[in-house]
Amino acid sequence: DIQMTQSPSSLSASVGDRVTITCRASQGISSSLAWYQQKPGKAPKLLLYAASRLESGVPSRFSGSGSGTDYTLTISSLQPEDFATYYCQQYYSTPLTFGGGTKVEIK
Amino acid sequence: EVQLLESGGGLVQPGGSLRLSCAASGFTFSSYAMSWVRQAPGKGLEWVSAISGSGGSTYYADSVKGRFTISRDNSKNTLYLLMNSLRAEDTAVYYCARTFIVGATLDAFDIWGQGTMVTVSS
Repeated sequence: DIQMTQSPSSLSASVGDRVTITCRASQGISSSLAWYQQKPGKAPKLLLYAASRLESGVPSRFSGSGSGTDYTLTISSLQPEDFATYYCQQYYSTPLTFGGGTKVEIK
Repeated sequence: EVQLLESGGGLVQPGGSLRLSCAASGFTFSSYAMSWVRQAPGKGLEWVSAISGSGGSTYYADSVKGRFTISRDNSKNTLYLLMNSLRAEDTAVYYCARTFIVGATLDAFDIWGQGTMVTVSS
C-alpha cells in the first residue's frame, strides 16, 4: 500500500498569508494526486487533480506542484473561507489512500 | 444538477448488517466509476471500496474485504454498499463519491454525497 504523509498536521495563519502544505508518498505516484478541502460537517471538495490541475470553479489562489513522491498545495493569499482541513489523496494504485490531513486555523 | 444522495445509515449492533444506498442524478451514472469513502468521528478520510461503471470490476480496502460488498444498479442510478459483520471500528460517516474521469476507475473524486452516519454499538 502507498502511504501518504502530510505535513504539517495543523497550522495557524492570518488572512493574506501564503500557506504551503506538503504531501509525501511512500513510492512514486506519477502525479496521480488530488487535493481536497473539507469544512466541519461537510463533504470534501475537490480542489486540484493530477497534482497541479485546478478543478473548475476553484479560485486561482490555490495551486499544486510536485512529482515523483513529493507534492505541495499552496494557497497564495489565505482568505477567511479557506480555514478548513486539507487532504491529499493518491489514485495511482489501490488501495486509494489519503494523507492524514492538515487543519488550517486562524491565527 | 449533479447530485449524490446517500441513505441507509443508522445504529447497528456489532456483528450486524446494514445496506447503504447512494442515489445519483444529473449525469450518466453508468459512465462513471464510483467509490465509498468513510470518515470516523474526528478522524481523516479512508477509502473503502470502488466499482467500475459497468459494475464488472470491484476493489476493496483490506479493512473491509470479505465483509463489505459494493454493487450498483445502473437502471436505477443507484450505488450500494452491503456491510456485514460490522465492528465498532466501522463507525463513521460514509460518503459515496464519483470518480472524476469518464471511464476511469482510479482517479480523483469530483462529486461527493452529503454522507450517512453508521454507528456500530451495543
